[in-house]
Amino acid sequence: DQQVKQNSPSLSVQEGRISILNCDYTNSMFDYFLWYKKYPAEGPTFLISISSIKDKNEDGRFTVFLNKSAKHLSLHIVPSQPGDSAVYFCAASEDFGNEKLTFGTGTRLTIIP
Amino acid sequence: DTGVSQNPRHKITKRGQNVTFRCDPISEHNRLYWYRQTLGQGPEFLTYFQNEAQLEKSRLLSDRFSAERPKGSFSTLEIQRTEQGDSAMYLCASSLSGYGYTFGSGTRLTVV
Repeated sequence: DQQVKQNSPSLSVQEGRISILNCDYTNSMFDYFLWYKKYPAEGPTFLISISSIKDKNEDGRFTVFLNKSAKHLSLHIVPSQPGDSAVYFCAASEDFGNEKLTFGTGTRLTIIP
Repeated sequence: DTGVSQNPRHKITKRGQNVTFRCDPISEHNRLYWYRQTLGQGPEFLTYFQNEAQLEKSRLLSDRFSAERPKGSFSTLEIQRTEQGDSAMYLCASSLSGYGYTFGSGTRLTVV
């Protein structure tokens, strides 16, 4: 039972353009959402998060949007840079500080120079 | 502090053998987590500790798996009688009071 779904296994974007990564969830108890970035041979690195009381959170080039009624969130990266090439995981928990994260299967983003 | 350290980085073992992995968290972090990641999947929660107390265990953690965190510092994850299905990347993470996980680079286990 995949409670967090990332339906695009891969995405290629031209350098300088916008990258949009999508994530859907099914568990209505999820209240806090995070994005992690993972390079090969390294552990995931926290990127940005959003609480369900917000619909948008921005940090530099990264913006996360949450549509709670659609149970959908997206990560926008603009402008995309070659160093953004990595696997991106969406994760969710039932509240901030909850110890258990449920991860999606990841989207491999490739930025084309 | 160099972050979360996991040892070994790679482990190849024969089916039926026992293996033990070690995780050294960031020193001031009181919470420690174990996750498992298989090919093409995201990390799956296994268990977590607050200080030395193991507070939650996933159904994924069968009786062959045991985790400890003596004295609330480093943690070990032991798998007894390994099976081929145990082959995965085992990730450790730590945090301060549940805010902001920092993951280690993982231990890749291959059971042959």
